[in-house]
Amino acid sequence: DTAVSQTPKYLVTQMGNDKSIKCEQNLGHDTMYWYKQDSKKFLKIMFSYNNKELIINETVPNRFSPKSPDKAHLNLHINSLELGDSAVYFCASSQGVPNEQFFGPGTRLTVL
Amino acid sequence: EDQVTQSPEALRLQEGESSSLNCSYTVSGLRGLFWYRQDPGKGPEFLFTLYSAGEEKEKERLKATLTKKESFLHITAPKPEDSATYLCAVPAYSSASKIIFGSGTRLSIRP
Repeated sequence: DTAVSQTPKYLVTQMGNDKSIKCEQNLGHDTMYWYKQDSKKFLKIMFSYNNKELIINETVPNRFSPKSPDKAHLNLHINSLELGDSAVYFCASSQGVPNEQFFGPGTRLTVL
Repeated sequence: EDQVTQSPEALRLQEGESSSLNCSYTVSGLRGLFWYRQDPGKGPEFLFTLYSAGEEKEKERLKATLTKKESFLHITAPKPEDSATYLCAVPAYSSASKIIFGSGTRLSIRP
């Protein structure tokens, strides 16, 4: 049974489009995260939510808008996609902070 | 500024050849140092948490240690299946929710 799942796994789209990535965790954790991993494999935090409340917004362009409808879900909507948005996006969750995080399989976004 | 630096960037070893990976950190009031393993095309997988200098944790062929400025991941008699990227991470001083990752060490074990 998958602990942290993301959809879609691959996303190929044109510049200027709007897209969403969905994340769900079935671990009962209270904290969820979005990370961006660039082509050099550097993993950088974007957002952190605790019990549906935004805790961390790490200087991400406002084209990126996270939304947490409940504790188990954290979605990421991206407007007006740019070439530089191409990366792998990981969702993660933890119980409390700081604590070990469980990562999803990632969504590889390619902007053409 | 909080920072995590890992070295070497890449390491190639022969099967059975032991070595160590380094993670240096600069953060005030360390609230834990985390090690993760990442296989190609997958998300990072948690390995260890260390909280205080002198602490050690082991799992199979891996042993993590912590000092006041750095952590080491020792790999004893590695096997090809240990090949992966190893990441270390620390919570930022400003917020325990903000986890800062190092750039990782890409480990390759030749049979």
